[in-house]
Amino acid sequence: RKEVEQDPGPFNVPEGATVAFNCTYSNSASQSFFWYRQDCRKEPKLLMSVYSSGNEDGRFTAQLNRASQYISLLIRDSKLSDSATYLCVVNEPWTGGTSYGKLTFGQGTILTVHP
Amino acid sequence: DAMVIQNPRYQVTQFGKPVTLSCSQTLNHNVMYWYQQKSSQAPKLLFHYYDKDFNNEADTPDNFQSRRPNTSFCFLDIRSPGLGDAAMYLCATRATGGYGYTFGSGTRLTVV
Repeated sequence: RKEVEQDPGPFNVPEGATVAFNCTYSNSASQSFFWYRQDCRKEPKLLMSVYSSGNEDGRFTAQLNRASQYISLLIRDSKLSDSATYLCVVNEPWTGGTSYGKLTFGQGTILTVHP
Repeated sequence: DAMVIQNPRYQVTQFGKPVTLSCSQTLNHNVMYWYQQKSSQAPKLLFHYYDKDFNNEADTPDNFQSRRPNTSFCFLDIRSPGLGDAAMYLCATRATGGYGYTFGSGTRLTVV
């Protein structure tokens, strides 16, 4: 079983659509959670952190369910510029017990927004 | 303004010829990570440093080595690159007790 598993996609949606991505993680000791965005042949960039209470940043809403080990990202009113790969990312504790952990990435979901 | 700098952006190397990728940071972060990302796959952690302490992932091939001569610099050495090592190599840093990771723009390695 993959440590972080995402919807396979790809998602192909028209401008203005609402699209949702889902993600599950296997390590219940995971400490923090993120969505990253990666454009073609570029490095991943932090889109937003994900909190248990849910959080919103403009058109983007992220949710975390620790009991189900499930993370989601909702994009409303999609723009052409939202086209990218969206990576679900989990910060897992390092086995040495240190405080900094390591990021484990999902495979990513490709989103294409068309006119 | 660049805070984590990877050089070069693109590297072409011959099959079996040693190659070194570099990462430098101006953030004074304790922790530096190297990730490998193959086409259409998730970034995969190869190893990381906590200060000078080196931590290898269990499944990182012996062909991959790393050096961190000081806080600012970290190198990834591939001793005998194979065709399967073609990938984007990403360097990231983090401060202990900090929350965020900072990624470099990556080095795309081609093996011919």
